[in-house]
Amino acid sequence: GEDVEQSLFLSVREGDSSVINCTYTDSSSTYLYWYKQEPGAGLQLLTYIFSNMDMKQDQRLTVLLNKKDKHLSLRIADTQTGDSAIYFCAEIPVKGSYIPTFGRGTSLIVHP
Amino acid sequence: EAQVTQNPRYLITVTGKKLTVTCSQNMNHEYMSWYRQDPGLGLRQIYYSMNVEVTDKGDVPEGYKVSRKEKRNFPLILESPSPNQTSLYFCASSLRGRRDEQYFGPGTRLTVT
Repeated sequence: GEDVEQSLFLSVREGDSSVINCTYTDSSSTYLYWYKQEPGAGLQLLTYIFSNMDMKQDQRLTVLLNKKDKHLSLRIADTQTGDSAIYFCAEIPVKGSYIPTFGRGTSLIVHP
Repeated sequence: EAQVTQNPRYLITVTGKKLTVTCSQNMNHEYMSWYRQDPGLGLRQIYYSMNVEVTDKGDVPEGYKVSRKEKRNFPLILESPSPNQTSLYFCASSLRGRRDEQYFGPGTRLTVT
């Protein structure tokens, strides 16, 4: 089956940039998503990218995709304490299974 | 307000006692799904539904049932819960399908003793 891997923890200082990394194994066209989960809440979609794109920017968020290495990253500029949460990478193939594959989540801790 | 609601939010039960977790969305979404979240495992899809009366298995359907008799509701049924079903459960919906933004409910924390 498909696999999505993420590092489990990231700690940054307020005001610095955060980079959360993800690798995936699906070799077909796929959609790749970043979700944010705050304590006690469900997941909130932050942004997504299609596998034929290289980059997508949305305010403080930048998604970079290296198709060759199947590596996806989420960069948060000027990280704030409110960005502390768990971030999930997920991929959904364009064809075939409707089942998304989520990574295990990266806990981002932002300290003053 | 557009939202996905789940009930109950917290439930402690005993092995073998049938239970239902309700999920309702008010956005007229066609696609609904159930996930479980376990520490270190991320989210795994249990079942999904593309529309009324259309359901299909996700990654981990064993021990669960679902039904989709109305567009807005998608209950998750545990006929005979076991301790390995202790988990945090999320319901989600999206307008048409997997590529659309999924809206998640607040979660139901289930403990089976």
